[in-house]
Amino acid sequence: SAVISQKPSRDICQRGTSLTIQCQVDSQVTMMFWYRQQPGQSLTLIATANQGSEATYESGFVIDKFPISRPNLTFSTLTVSNMSPEDSSIYLCSSRIAGWNTEAFFGQGTRLTVV
Amino acid sequence: GQQLNQSPQSMFIQEGEDVSMNCTSSSIFNTWLWYKQDPGEGPVLLIALYKAGELTSNGRLTAQFGITRKDSFLNISASIPSDVGIYFCAGQLGSGNTPLVFGKGTRLSVIA
Repeated sequence: SAVISQKPSRDICQRGTSLTIQCQVDSQVTMMFWYRQQPGQSLTLIATANQGSEATYESGFVIDKFPISRPNLTFSTLTVSNMSPEDSSIYLCSSRIAGWNTEAFFGQGTRLTVV
Repeated sequence: GQQLNQSPQSMFIQEGEDVSMNCTSSSIFNTWLWYKQDPGEGPVLLIALYKAGELTSNGRLTAQFGITRKDSFLNISASIPSDVGIYFCAGQLGSGNTPLVFGKGTRLSVIA
């Protein structure tokens, strides 16, 4: 597997502001996935990010609210824009080594609290 | 979309007891994975299953990929306090370019 370094690990933000979360992988990966985990809940996929193309968003998530960058094969960012208290969650990036029968590995998560 | 039904939702057990949790799906998956999440951390992979019927162990943990490819279970034997956490099953179709579908998690509490 590979290692993903995610930062910040936590932040407390004012409503109306934006926060950018960064994930750095120690090897090249094709796809990176961004998840949201609301308090006490499971992981919900926000979007899939492929290098060199626009991210693909899941139903209920839009680019204006969660813009994603994927400038190269080892790095991605997720921005949570115009935050409200409902955006308070843990945000996780994930990836897999390309190929069949490979497991996903995760960053440490970003615990976001919007006040 | 695809959903995984994971049960039980939570468990309180005595140290030393065995634990069992399972996931079922209405869809067939090629891969079943079990993760553990500690507070403030991202999920960490425990066991990966790639073949229907496969039974795999990792220390005190044992997991099986159901024959129908629509279910999986995880057993933990002789639980210890550090087993406390949330356990998630995850299923996947296809290659490394496809994301995982997660169960809702089983919150395990171990009473010493």
